[in-house]
Amino acid sequence: GAGVSQTPSNKVTEKGKYVELRCDPISGHTALYWYRQSLGQGPEFLIYFQGTGAADDSGLPNDRFFAVRPEGSVSTLKIQRTERGDSAVYLCASSLGTSGSGTGELFFGEGSRLTVL
Amino acid sequence: AQSVTQLDSQVPVFEEAPVELRCNYSSSVSVYLFWYVQYPNQGLQLLLKYLSGSTLVKGINGFEAEFNKSQTSFHLRKPSVHISDTAEYFCAVYNAGNMLTFGGGTRLMVKP
Repeated sequence: GAGVSQTPSNKVTEKGKYVELRCDPISGHTALYWYRQSLGQGPEFLIYFQGTGAADDSGLPNDRFFAVRPEGSVSTLKIQRTERGDSAVYLCASSLGTSGSGTGELFFGEGSRLTVL
Repeated sequence: AQSVTQLDSQVPVFEEAPVELRCNYSSSVSVYLFWYVQYPNQGLQLLLKYLSGSTLVKGINGFEAEFNKSQTSFHLRKPSVHISDTAEYFCAVYNAGNMLTFGGGTRLMVKP
């Protein structure tokens, strides 16, 4: 596609529910990133994929958060037993960079705004 | 570990005035440096980047930034701002660990 696509753009859920957020990266981009942006703050790194594997998941806050990229393209961020503190904009980005050789130029989607009531 | 500090959370400025948004970083290795802009209800867009070479880099919309290795800074400047420049600006650093680390952001508010 022309850019990084994220769905849904908005998601309202109740505390304790399960949520999935989808990211469709730019075609041909091997690297895919998830970030979380809370109100008034900068994006915080969650997880980075190189191909199908999670190269770095050190930013995931706890075991309620999980992400997959089974075919090396589309990725899904999964949040179990949502809490009010999970409310944020979840950003996905992709880049051409391969491990150790990227320049850091990430292309971002418009984000999925999650609200947990 | 690397970190980014944007010293000003908000910068109010009148239209056509110059502006500087400050960014300092810390890293134990060489980094690449970026400024991203986020307009209201939109995604992050790349404004400019420093990878190597000339320390003065020019970006879109008349913005420029200067890399200062000794001061570990990468301040963003524009000689004359417009109302349309009102947005959130994020400085970011990237290293070979493949992670882009962002600062907390600076909200530029351009007043008529």
